[in-house]
Amino acid sequence: QQQVKQSPQSLIVQKGGISIINCAYENTAFDYFPWYQQFPGKGPALLIAIRPDVSEKKEGRFTISFNKSAKQFSLHIMDSQPGDSATYFCAASEIWNSGGYQKVTFGIGTKLQVIP
Amino acid sequence: EADIYQTPRYLVIGTGKKITLECSQTMGHDKMYWYQQDPGMELHLIHYSYGVNSTEKGDLSSESTVSRIRTEHFPLTLESARPSHTSQYLCASSESGTANYGYTFGSGTRLTVV
Repeated sequence: QQQVKQSPQSLIVQKGGISIINCAYENTAFDYFPWYQQFPGKGPALLIAIRPDVSEKKEGRFTISFNKSAKQFSLHIMDSQPGDSATYFCAASEIWNSGGYQKVTFGIGTKLQVIP
Repeated sequence: EADIYQTPRYLVIGTGKKITLECSQTMGHDKMYWYQQDPGMELHLIHYSYGVNSTEKGDLSSESTVSRIRTEHFPLTLESARPSHTSQYLCASSESGTANYGYTFGSGTRLTVV
């Protein structure tokens, strides 16, 4: 059972367009929501993250929108470029054992292809 | 540029061999993790560590074992490799403390057991 549901699994966007990837969760104990970007042959790299006390966070062309009541968050990539072609993972994190352990649940991933 | 190093990057070995995948980080992070990532992309936690001499099994059952004798080093061992162990293994670490932090991942070891 997926605790973090990510969609779509693949996405093709024209260069200059907006890429949108959506994630939904059920566990209200999650309190940190990072996005990771993974290029072929590399490990995932932290791209941007948000905590539930804000509704939006923007870093350059990347924006996270967060809707706490709907338990949904999304990644928007503005002016998408071929270099953005990668797999994107959303994740949700909670603290266990009085801070001893950070449990992260990953989405299934979205393979983004930006075509010229 | 990488602060977390995994070796080897690629490994092809025969069934029944013992292997150790190395993972080292230079950031002084207490928390370290091993994930298994299959071609279908999903990441599954197989082991984690809070600090030296602390190791726990993750969500995905794995025949591998880990050790944490030094803060910076978190090796994963398979005593007897099988074709079902063929996968990509990713090591990660995160900052110490009681809050949530992002992970720093290594580049992974792609293991093929023939």
